[in-house]
Amino acid sequence: DGGITQSPKYLFRKEGQNVTLSCEQNLNHDAMYWYRQDPGQGLRLIYYSQIVNDFQKGDIAEGYSVSREKKESFPLTVTSAQKNPTAFYLCASSPFRGTGGTEEAFFGQGTRLTVV
Amino acid sequence: AQTVTQSQPEMSVQEAETVTLSCTYDTSESDYYLFWYKQPPSRQMILVIRQEAYKQQNATENRFSVNFQKAAKSFSLKISDSQLGDAAMYFCAYRIILRGYALNFGKGTSLLVTP
Repeated sequence: DGGITQSPKYLFRKEGQNVTLSCEQNLNHDAMYWYRQDPGQGLRLIYYSQIVNDFQKGDIAEGYSVSREKKESFPLTVTSAQKNPTAFYLCASSPFRGTGGTEEAFFGQGTRLTVV
Repeated sequence: AQTVTQSQPEMSVQEAETVTLSCTYDTSESDYYLFWYKQPPSRQMILVIRQEAYKQQNATENRFSVNFQKAAKSFSLKISDSQLGDAAMYFCAYRIILRGYALNFGKGTSLLVTP
């Protein structure tokens, strides 16, 4: 079945450590996104990538890094520079090239990151 | 910058009744795309309905419909014949073309459905 897989579902990190969240899609989508969700804040864009080997900062990129070495994969690293990393993280993908703007964005099931 | 505002943090509706969730947005673009997503307790994001700004006809999907008022920059969601399974967070979203088609979300409305 086609879809987006995020792993792990729950992740615990000690303060000062970097941690990487995995996101893999088999939908052959060009574009991929990372969002952060906090209570009462909706979803905020961290990074996005339109094609392989290219990515752009979103609204809250500080303390995060990404890579896009393969079309299927868009991992997010939460670095020790992120002051308040405890949150729910969602990865999404959508078609990009040659398509209209009504294409649905598909989401993974999320990763809950907790700093201990 | 495109902003999306959902002014109702929480709403409640009785089963089989109709409820309307409000959403306003701010943009200077003439062509754009709007969405409503649902997030049930499982936290899986599910597309409810979508609307292209150049289309004057309001989108409908079964029990879900929108009231799209382009001049007022309003995009409300109407849920008819509410069911217990409709209980969820509902997010209004604006697609940002110049940001790789990323979605800009409102803060959400929590919908409670009572028997």
